[in-house]
Amino acid sequence: GENVEQHPSTLSVQEGDSAVIKCTYSDSASNYFPWYKQELGKRPQLIIDIRSNVGEKKDQRIAVTLNKTAKHFSLHITETQPEDSAVYFCAATGGTSYGKLTFGQGTILTVHP
Amino acid sequence: DTAVSQTPKYLVTQMGNDKSIKCEQNLGHDTMYWYKQDSKKFLKIMFSYNNKELIINETVPNRFSPKSPDKAHLNLHINSLELGDSAVYFCASNRRGSSTDTQYFGPGTRLTVL
Repeated sequence: GENVEQHPSTLSVQEGDSAVIKCTYSDSASNYFPWYKQELGKRPQLIIDIRSNVGEKKDQRIAVTLNKTAKHFSLHITETQPEDSAVYFCAATGGTSYGKLTFGQGTILTVHP
Repeated sequence: DTAVSQTPKYLVTQMGNDKSIKCEQNLGHDTMYWYKQDSKKFLKIMFSYNNKELIINETVPNRFSPKSPDKAHLNLHINSLELGDSAVYFCASNRRGSSTDTQYFGPGTRLTVL
């Protein structure tokens, strides 16, 4: 089955800095890679996603890159703000997984004012 | 206009009891999921139903039994609750085969077994 590794587990930045979170996956059949943000006590919410036929996608301050050959994808947040502080999860699905999302271990992002 | 809803939000119970969690979605999706989030925040799939048919059944104790009466509802019944069952349980849904596969999560049910 799919295995997703996520790094770092914690990330602390100053407001205005950039933050990068990296994930690797094992199943070459995976073709959909969403990123979720989870604030304390809340549900995971999709912030951006990418499919395997695209190498990069951007939405305002958030971007995701995908390297299919190396089987890794990354989340980039620019001009971080305190409200970006949360747990971020990468995930992968596709192939014969029947839509099952395999999540990374999560990254606790703290943005200091 | 809640998209994915769960009840109850909190559930505190004694070891050995039986409890149920309910999930409903009004997004017109055909697939629903149960995920468990443990104390270390790790999210793991438990079950999935597509059009009322069980399609994913991970290695979960058979004390856990999902049930989908229709495409919009997915319930989770847990028998003989154990301390290790304490976690947050999230329901999610999507439309399989759609262009995005985006899964939308419910607010979660925090289960505490004493």
